[in-house]
Amino acid sequence: DAKTTQPNSMESNEEEPVHLPCNHSTISGTDYIHWYRQLPSQGPEYVIHGLTSNVNNRMASLAIAEDRKSSTLILHRATLRDAAVYYCILRTSGTYKYIFGTGTRLKVLA
Amino acid sequence: ETGVTQSPTHLIKTRGQQVTLRCSSQSGHNTVSWYQQALGQGPQFIFQYYREEENGRGNFPPRFSGLQFPNYSSELNVNALELDDSALYLCASSLDLPNTEAFFGQGTRLTVV
Repeated sequence: DAKTTQPNSMESNEEEPVHLPCNHSTISGTDYIHWYRQLPSQGPEYVIHGLTSNVNNRMASLAIAEDRKSSTLILHRATLRDAAVYYCILRTSGTYKYIFGTGTRLKVLA
Repeated sequence: ETGVTQSPTHLIKTRGQQVTLRCSSQSGHNTVSWYQQALGQGPQFIFQYYREEENGRGNFPPRFSGLQFPNYSSELNVNALELDDSALYLCASSLDLPNTEAFFGQGTRLTVV
């Protein structure tokens, strides 16, 4: 199973952008990069996903390196409600399961 | 709100007992997967069902079993409960495509005493 590596924790000030990195050096050509976040006492919530090109949606942006061995989730203006554990996951065609790592705990300071 | 509902939300069982957890999938989704999340850890994949057949399993013993029904709802059964089975159990429903998102339920908090 492809693995991802993320920093254990990060801090950001409210209203500032946040860049959450993820390394996935063993990614294969058919692996999609997915990001989920989990707020306390809740199930994981979908944030964004991509294959090769950068992606934007209303929640965040996903920047994917040209060699696809790393990616960065960008929250453009962090709010207190963005405080959560963020998981970077590779989803492989044919299995569809998610292999979660330990994620990055994001703390947003008021 | 994801449209995935799990029941019950909390449960306390005694070691050695059996438990059944239930999950109602998002409408139109044909794949359901189950995860175990211990306190402070990321979710661990237990198994996945696609069109009522198990099509993937993580590193969990056979006393963890499941079912998926024709309406794509699902059950997770755990026999001979152990103290280490205490965790949050999550189900996720999705389509069988890697480029679509999964929707997770709020989970069932199981405590084994």
